[in-house]
Formats: sequence, structure tokens, C-alpha cells
Amino acid sequence: EAGVTQFPSHSVIEKGQTVTLRCDPISGHDNLYWYRRVMGKEIKFLLHFVKESKQDESGMPNNRFLAERTGGTYSTLKVQPAELEDSGVYFCASSPSLDRVYEQYFGPGTRLTVT
Amino acid sequence: AQRVTQPEKLLSVFKGAPVELKCNYSYSGSPELFWYVQYSRQRLQLLLRHISRESIKGFTADLNKGETSFHLKKPFAQEEDSAMYYCAYNTNAGKSTFGDGTTLTVKP
Repeated sequence: EAGVTQFPSHSVIEKGQTVTLRCDPISGHDNLYWYRRVMGKEIKFLLHFVKESKQDESGMPNNRFLAERTGGTYSTLKVQPAELEDSGVYFCASSPSLDRVYEQYFGPGTRLTVT
Repeated sequence: AQRVTQPEKLLSVFKGAPVELKCNYSYSGSPELFWYVQYSRQRLQLLLRHISRESIKGFTADLNKGETSFHLKKPFAQEEDSAMYYCAYNTNAGKSTFGDGTTLTVKP
């Protein structure tokens, strides 16, 4: 069974440009999470989808970030316009149910570099 | 504010020596605590959780509610234990709160 996949693995963009990150969760997992690790800092929660609905988006830093999960399958995270402080590794995770939140399976991450 | 503190960013021990990675948390409820590990060029994965009280790869962690700690221990470190370790807790809402992580290096 394929695990959580993320695309691209690495993105380098200039300040002011737009980038879209994609996450494909494990098939059948209703819960999808986005996290971000800025250099030297903790992994921070961004938001949580249950199917196509945003359950919790309290971690989204500002309105330059837009996450979607149309159809409840894959999710995209768009950053527009990107700023230098957006650089970091963006992780996606999925889990089968809230009762089994410990079963969060993480993707490999997308390393975003904004120059 | 609710948070997880891992005071050591870097920890280095020799093979065969005991290792302890510290974790303290601040949370008003009853969190579910975890340790995650990320080996070089691999993805983040769950190592163990406090509810299961199991030992994984020789690691154990005991939840101390009085000290609000969840330190990760192993009596005899191995070179393959070298990795980044994150302490985290999950709330009922499902999202995880992570510490800054500790990079463990086990020297031969």
C-alpha cells in the first residue's frame, strides 16, 4: 500500500511568486493534516481536514495560505504571494479516524525555499 | 500556552551508553503523548505512545503527570538510533503539537 505522498519534494521560488503543494493521503483516510517546520523550530500544525471539510484551521499563519481538499481525496496548499519566512518543510499526514489519531502517517515533506 | 519543550537540540552519546531525551509539556487537560522519530532520508514516524506503555526498539517513555514530563529512555544506545526525535501530544481534536526536536547522535 502506498503511503502518504507529497509533490513536489523541493520547490525554490522567489518572493512574491505562488506555489502550490500537493498531498495525497492514504486511500480511505478521512483525516488529513498539514504541518510546517521552519528551520530550527518545532513542527507546527497548520490545519486539519475531515474529508473535504476544514475541521480546524487555527494554525494557518495568514490569508496568503489557502488549503483545499476537493472531493475529500488529495489536498493542495497554496501560498500566494510567498514571503521569505514561508521557507521550511511542509508535511502532510493522514489518519483513518479521530479515534486513532496516533495513527498519523506522514508524507516525506515538501521543502520550500523562498529567495 | 499549550506547548511541548525539548530542552536539548543536540544530544551525543557513545554506543552502549544510556540515553535520555527530555520532554516536558504544558497542557491543562489529559493529553495523549507520543514520541516520533525521523531517521536520515526517511519520513517522520511514530515511535511510541504513552497509552500503550510498550517498548519499541528498546525505547521506553513514562508519563509523569506531577512533573509534566515524558522523557524517552534507552539503556544501551545503538548507532542506528541516530535520528531526530520529536515529542508531541494530541488533543481530542486530533491535531498534534510538537516540540522542537532533539537530534541524537550515537557515536561508535
